[in-house]
Amino acid sequence: DAGITQSPRHKVTETGTPVTLRCHQTENHRYMYWYRQDPGHGLRLIHYSYGVKDTDKGEVSDGYSVSRSKTEDFLLTLESATSSQTSVYFCAIRTKQENNEQFFGPGTRLTVL
Amino acid sequence: QKEVEQNSGPLSVPEGAIASLNCTYSDRGSQSFFWYRQYSGKSPELIMSIYSNGDKEDGRFTAQLNKASQYVSLLIRDSQPSDSATYLCAVNVVSSGSARQLTFGSGTQLTVLP
Repeated sequence: DAGITQSPRHKVTETGTPVTLRCHQTENHRYMYWYRQDPGHGLRLIHYSYGVKDTDKGEVSDGYSVSRSKTEDFLLTLESATSSQTSVYFCAIRTKQENNEQFFGPGTRLTVL
Repeated sequence: QKEVEQNSGPLSVPEGAIASLNCTYSDRGSQSFFWYRQYSGKSPELIMSIYSNGDKEDGRFTAQLNKASQYVSLLIRDSQPSDSATYLCAVNVVSSGSARQLTFGSGTQLTVLP
């Protein structure tokens, strides 16, 4: 499982509430990624990080923010959750510098009512 | 035009047959190509990586890359019911602004019939 954990694994929340998802790695990799997966859309990149305090936007970053204050933790925050953010969220790490092999965490299923 | 395209399927093959999964990509500068397997309710699992033209074999899996035609394929020989899953193609799309990102196809659902 490449030493990646995500928490919580499941969450139900209401529209307008803030939500923070956590990704934790044990192997000190530089790159970490947040994706969402929806039927018909596959995996889409939300944000990624290439080091502590270094982050960049992905394809679907609107409505999301991220923070990385420690190498091992990458947080994804929905400041004010909407029903369109109901999805499965996966964190991934990149393990090799010379290519872009990525390994995924177990995922968080988020439902926004 | 989507950058990475796969037939969504579903693709059904009988047990013991060869399953052939295809993926095309639009960016000629792409350099790294990956196949992930995803069981229902689980996270994607990396099963093959390929970086140069030709075939790469790993057990029952063979990845094929043709950069001139911009396609990558995955062959599964002697398919087993346990191979039933969704297979995701991923490409390191350089033109996306950063070689740090992967772009995924929407996946092909494979069912292996006993």
